[in-house]
Amino acid sequence: DVKVTQSSRYLVKRTGEKVFLECVQDMDHENMFWYRQDPGLGLRLIYFSYDVKMKEKGDIPEGYSVSREKKERFSLILESASTNQTSMYLCASSWWGTGSNQPQHFGDGTRLSIL
Amino acid sequence: GIQVEQSPPDLILQEGANSTLRCNFSDSVNNLQWFHQNPWGQLINLFYIPSGTKQNGRLSATTVATERYSLLYISSSQTTDSGVYFCAVKSPGANSKLTFGKGITLSVRP
Repeated sequence: DVKVTQSSRYLVKRTGEKVFLECVQDMDHENMFWYRQDPGLGLRLIYFSYDVKMKEKGDIPEGYSVSREKKERFSLILESASTNQTSMYLCASSWWGTGSNQPQHFGDGTRLSIL
Repeated sequence: GIQVEQSPPDLILQEGANSTLRCNFSDSVNNLQWFHQNPWGQLINLFYIPSGTKQNGRLSATTVATERYSLLYISSSQTTDSGVYFCAVKSPGANSKLTFGKGITLSVRP
């Protein structure tokens, strides 16, 4: 079974802090994704990466950056946390799928509160 | 971009009842997934079903790609089926990005 592990289930930070959310997958997947989930808005893609050191913006990248130095690890960074970034953050991974698309597998999520 | 609509937005069932959840999408797709998010926030893969029909226990799903919809069937519902059900799709050429519907909240009462 695919295992996607997010470093924290719950996290509380203060406004202005730099926040790191870590995600690790154990299946040698090329693709990794960061989503945020808010009530009434569903899941929205923040950033994704299709290879080491490669990244592309999703639908809502403002206020976030990402890092992928190793294939198995994808980090989401809140450069200066703000209260409107309080949310549930979900990481996912999948095999590269051009033509033969592969399902995404999700971690358990991190509930982040910015005070 | 592609639009995904799920219906109904909310559903309340008595334990043992059957239900059908619908997902409509606005363009052709080459990836469609159904997920169940449990009350603890975990997002569980139910089906990867860009076309055809699949069954897994009490759950089954059908995607009719030419008519741009997918259906998730839950039979003999149980309280543990409660949660939010998401449909997510990917268009050809849209790299690997999934677009999610807003979800269907299901409550199964004992």
